[in-house]
Amino acid sequence: QKEVEQNSGPLSVPEGAIVSLNCTYSDRGSQSFFWYRQYSGKSPELIMFIYSNGDKEDGRFTAQVDKSSKYISLFIRDSQPSDSATYLCPPVGAGSYQLTFGKGTKLSVIP
Amino acid sequence: KAGVTQTPRYLIKTRGQQVTLSCSPISGHRSVSWYQQTPGQGLQFLFEYFSETQRNKGNFPGRFSGRQFSNSRSEMNVSTLELGDSALYLCASSPSLGAPNQPQHFGDGTRLSIL
Repeated sequence: QKEVEQNSGPLSVPEGAIVSLNCTYSDRGSQSFFWYRQYSGKSPELIMFIYSNGDKEDGRFTAQVDKSSKYISLFIRDSQPSDSATYLCPPVGAGSYQLTFGKGTKLSVIP
Repeated sequence: KAGVTQTPRYLIKTRGQQVTLSCSPISGHRSVSWYQQTPGQGLQFLFEYFSETQRNKGNFPGRFSGRQFSNSRSEMNVSTLELGDSALYLCASSPSLGAPNQPQHFGDGTRLSIL
């Protein structure tokens, strides 16, 4: 059974801090890794995706994948109060879009 | 480009009734997936459709069903509603089936409340 584990938080940081969010997954067949942000009462919003080992940067966000450790990370630089949300990291296997979600990490950025 | 459109946004039903939710994917997207989100269980996969065929199904009872039409629009149906079916139902679309560089985009969801 595919599983995703995240620190559910809540994680509270001061505005401007660097935030590190992490996930571990169980399915070695996972090929893509997505990061979604979900504001309270809203639907998940795609932040970025990465489908290979290594790093990918997009603005203030950097995603990292380590397939050998089945570990993925999202770093947020210069965090803003608008980054306060729950972050989700579903991995995706080949040939299917069945996303397996963990509980998510709730982030609060304090002004 | 319009996003994923789900209707209705809110729905109130009573136990034992049935309900149909609708999802129109982003134009050109052919894969549609459905998820249920509750405070206790989080986001759980219901089913996935591509080219009018169900490709994958989550661990939900047979009361939950769906279909996809030739224009890629999808519907899901829940029969004999139970209190535990109260949830946010999310639809997500992507251009094709499980391509690693084509992530899913979610609609705003339908919030279903069972009285």
